[in-house]
Amino acid sequence: AQTVTQSQPEMSVQEAETVTLSCTYDTSENNYYLFWYKQPPSRQMILVIRQEAYKQQNATENRFSVNFQKAAKSFSLKISDSQLGDTAMYFCAFALGGGSNYKLTFGKGTLLTVNP
Amino acid sequence: DAGVTQSPTHLIKTRGQQVTLRCSPISGHKSVSWYQQVLGQGPQFIFQYYEKEERGRGNFPDRFSARQFPNYSSELNVNALLLGDSALYLCASSLSPGLAPEAFFGQGTRLTVV
Repeated sequence: AQTVTQSQPEMSVQEAETVTLSCTYDTSENNYYLFWYKQPPSRQMILVIRQEAYKQQNATENRFSVNFQKAAKSFSLKISDSQLGDTAMYFCAFALGGGSNYKLTFGKGTLLTVNP
Repeated sequence: DAGVTQSPTHLIKTRGQQVTLRCSPISGHKSVSWYQQVLGQGPQFIFQYYEKEERGRGNFPDRFSARQFPNYSSELNVNALLLGDSALYLCASSLSPGLAPEAFFGQGTRLTVV
């Protein structure tokens, strides 16, 4: 079974600064995907960024980037130039690829607060 | 384009009752998954349906059931409600399982069991 661990229940950052959220996972598979989802108070889970395990290059989406360390099974999210609207719960998630079904396995989340 | 829509947004039920939650996926998406998110936790996988067939089931009791309709919309049913079933129920749609793994979520149904 796959597991996802987020060891930081809460973090805070000043507006315009950079923050890194940590995530580790455990799997014996080679074909998988990793995601970061954001859940603001509106409750809707919003996909922030995804990473395919077979790609060595780290994914980036505007101010969001990841540091994917496959051997260490680590997948951290860096948010640059933090904005007040980044305040939300952030969930790291794992999915096996290539199968006839797939499910997301989530971590417990990190509550990020961006302070003015 | 409309995103994933769920109804109702909030629901209060009494222990022992039955509840049906509904989900309409993004147009063109054929896979629907259901997740339960208890307060303070990450979502837990309940079911995945693709082309009206169950493709995956999480570790939930038989009181939980679901189905997918020809238009790819889905219903989640929970019988004999317990206080512990109080949670946010999230529906996610994707193109097809294993092909495009991005899941797009609705805003959820907040179920309170009293």
